[in-house]
Amino acid sequence: GQQVMQIPQYQHVQEGEDFTTYCNSSTTLSNIQWYKQRPGGHPVFLIQLVKSGEVKKQKRLTFQFGEAKKNSSLHITATQTTDVGTYFCKAPGAGKSTFGDGTTLTVKP
Amino acid sequence: ETGVTQTPRHLVMGMTNKKSLKCEQHLGHNAMYWYKQSAKKPLELMFVYNFKEQTENNSVPSRFSPECPNSSHLFLHLHTLQPEDSALYLCASTPSIGSNQPQHFGDGTRLSIL
Repeated sequence: GQQVMQIPQYQHVQEGEDFTTYCNSSTTLSNIQWYKQRPGGHPVFLIQLVKSGEVKKQKRLTFQFGEAKKNSSLHITATQTTDVGTYFCKAPGAGKSTFGDGTTLTVKP
Repeated sequence: ETGVTQTPRHLVMGMTNKKSLKCEQHLGHNAMYWYKQSAKKPLELMFVYNFKEQTENNSVPSRFSPECPNSSHLFLHLHTLQPEDSALYLCASTPSIGSNQPQHFGDGTRLSIL
């Protein structure tokens, strides 16, 4: 079965609003990765989190890894139309597909 | 430019046709992957190759036949496909099989089965 559950499936926001997607696992993860797929594009690696409680920032994007290393979140501050796309988390697994279902973000100008 | 090139970008075929998808990576990676991405399902891993050897086949129907002649090239041979096989097929690579290595994806082949 799928190792990580991701919510919400869809999120519609007004430009300038914040956005958060959550990724949850029933087991402790050694790391978690985040990817972004633009409409019509392919998944692109954003970041990897490894340490318990780790927080990393990329401009308006903030990534967190839970203390128990079972959950993670991606938060976008003041969304822009360029943020549209589907955001996937990925749990580790030697050769196994462990992508979450993704959260598709649409931004209304 | 991701370093992973997939051809063709789009493919329309009938259910009785035979076609092949091609993936080539210029990153010096040793592991390559085929994924299926359809509208209703997330990224589904199909096959994994490490140093040309298949290490994973996730219960993929035999109408999909992978081939990996070397670490830089990966093919997906298609025959007698079904309408539900219409999807985006993505190729990815990593330096090796490892749980902490980002996947580098190609642009994908958009496949439509008539």
